[in-house]
Amino acid sequence: ELKVEQNPLFLSMQEGKNYTIYCNYSTTSDRLYWYRQDPGKSLESLFVLLSNGAVKQEGRLMASLDTKARLSTLHITAAVHDLSATYFCAVTNAGGTSYGKLTFGQGTILTVHP
Amino acid sequence: GAGVSQTPSNKVTEKGKYVELRCDPISGHTALYWYRQSLGQGPEFLIYFQGTGAADDSGLPNDRFFAVRPEGSVSTLKIQRTERGDSAVYLCASSTGQVPNEQFFGPGTRLTVL
Repeated sequence: ELKVEQNPLFLSMQEGKNYTIYCNYSTTSDRLYWYRQDPGKSLESLFVLLSNGAVKQEGRLMASLDTKARLSTLHITAAVHDLSATYFCAVTNAGGTSYGKLTFGQGTILTVHP
Repeated sequence: GAGVSQTPSNKVTEKGKYVELRCDPISGHTALYWYRQSLGQGPEFLIYFQGTGAADDSGLPNDRFFAVRPEGSVSTLKIQRTERGDSAVYLCASSTGQVPNEQFFGPGTRLTVL
């Protein structure tokens, strides 16, 4: 059974600081996704990582994937208040009939304060 | 273009009643997914449609839950004999079904069973 674990689950950051959220998964996967969720809202897609060594950046967020270690990271640079949200990573099983079924981590609640 | 839409946005019902939740996917998306998100948790997979057929319904918790997509577009999630434990936000997502198969989520239906 595919399991996805994120840490930390809660992250309180000062504006301007850097930090990293980690996402570990238990079995081989060929795709990893990062989503953002604001309170009471739905999920917004941030990144899709398809291959080992993939790195994607958007503004102050950068995501990377190491398929050998079964690890993805979401790095936050010089945090600003607008980044406060819950961040989820999600993984698909490689191949099989569950193509596209996402297994999510527990989520990391990020709060950025002055 | 229009995103994924879901109706109703909120549904309050009494224990034992029947409910239907509707999802309108992005036009042209062949793949449609239902997830359930409990408070403080990541979404959990329920069922996946490719076209009109349910390709994977392994996440449906029991036979009170059923979903259809008769014409390959709109989908309805049906819950019979609702229980208090069914209270959650029900999220629908759609995708092209092709790599990278990014899933786009709707705003969700918040179901409360009294």
